[in-house]
Amino acid sequence: EAGVAQSPRYKIIEKRQSVAFWCNPISGHATLYWYQQILGQGPKLLIQFQNNGVVDDSQLPKDRFSAERLKGVDSTLKIQPAKLEDSAVYLCASSPAVSTTYEQYFGPGTRLTVT
Amino acid sequence: AQTVTQSQPEMSVQEAETVTLSCTYDTSENNYYLFWYKQPPSRQMILVIRQEAYKQQNATENRFSVNFQKAAKSFSLKISDSQLGDTAMYFCAFGGSNYKLTFGKGTLLTVNP
Repeated sequence: EAGVAQSPRYKIIEKRQSVAFWCNPISGHATLYWYQQILGQGPKLLIQFQNNGVVDDSQLPKDRFSAERLKGVDSTLKIQPAKLEDSAVYLCASSPAVSTTYEQYFGPGTRLTVT
Repeated sequence: AQTVTQSQPEMSVQEAETVTLSCTYDTSENNYYLFWYKQPPSRQMILVIRQEAYKQQNATENRFSVNFQKAAKSFSLKISDSQLGDTAMYFCAFGGSNYKLTFGKGTLLTVNP
């Protein structure tokens, strides 16, 4: 079974530029999560999708961050414009629609550096 | 809201020895799950062990075991016979009824040869 795929693995941009990250969850997983992990900290949930609908985006900075999950499979997270404090690893995770264990499966992450 | 606290930012252990990582949490829920995730330098987050709150028996997975104290809201991870490949960040996480995970800040474990 293929795992959660993310691209790119690394990205360096200047502040005020735009950037987009892509995630492909495990086949059949209805729930998709985007996390932001700042160096030295645990992951922080940005947004949670159930199929193509948003379940929770309470911690997403909506003035600059946006995310979509068209057709309920792949997802894209965008930052526009980027700030220095957005430098972090962006993790994507997925889980089955009905999970009795609450377990999430993580991708390798995208390391973003904003200069 | 749930909170997860890992009070040990860094720990080290000699190869083949045993080490215990601490985690405490706060919640008003009665049914939930607790997890330990491992994040090696390559960054892929991997599940180490899972504990259901309604089970009194502590979970074990080979060299990994937990000490779950529900009343004290404590969930520690014991790694026996430590190996060099165990070097990683370890995150304690709480999974509640909203299917979201709340993570602690992590403990960097270094296994020395």
